[in-house]
Amino acid sequence: DAKTTQPPSMDCAEGRAANLPCNHSTISGNEYVYWYRQIHSQGPQYIIHGLKNNETNEMASLIITEDRKSSTLILPHATLRDTAVYYCIVRPFYGQNFVFGPGTRLSVLP
Amino acid sequence: GAVVSQHPSWVICKSGTSVKIECRSLDFQATTMFWYRQFPKQSLMLMATSNEGSKATYEQGVEKDKFLINHASLTLSTLTVTSAHPEDSSFYICSAESGTGNTEAFFGQGTRLTVV
Repeated sequence: DAKTTQPPSMDCAEGRAANLPCNHSTISGNEYVYWYRQIHSQGPQYIIHGLKNNETNEMASLIITEDRKSSTLILPHATLRDTAVYYCIVRPFYGQNFVFGPGTRLSVLP
Repeated sequence: GAVVSQHPSWVICKSGTSVKIECRSLDFQATTMFWYRQFPKQSLMLMATSNEGSKATYEQGVEKDKFLINHASLTLSTLTVTSAHPEDSSFYICSAESGTGNTEAFFGQGTRLTVV
């Protein structure tokens, strides 16, 4: 079973920031938080991951709470192409598979 | 980022025939590859873990004699669906990892299998 919980769906206006929450209250000290997204009929695309510090790359920012029990993925300026299912996954280390939950279906509206 | 390529992207086969799906890591060596299956409106479910040079480890409920996995090199893993039936119709996705440490995994684009 997935160790994360996410809202099943969210809407966001085009050009606005999309903030996707994830709860992982049972996360262990050695587990990282990963975010992937899946656009219809494609394989999952890596977005970002982190351990305890906030992370930012060209796609998104990841904000992890100090107690690490939750995190937020931020897409700063959502576009229509960001419409996808977003998965938040915790994983301890290399070589372990990813356990996918149902994710959050983000719809970016014009 | 690194590239993982699956082939074919889609395939239609007759019931009772076998289908081979290839997963290649194009610009890195992958000691571990994972195979997932995704049914419509559902999330990805792990089928098996494939390590180069050794037998694959299958998840509970996945028939190893039906879903043959070969990981003969550091850049190629194959999944063969033997004696396919309509209920095997699904979206099959592989992922590969490039090295030690907590790196990200890269996913193939998926293969849509339709058994008629």
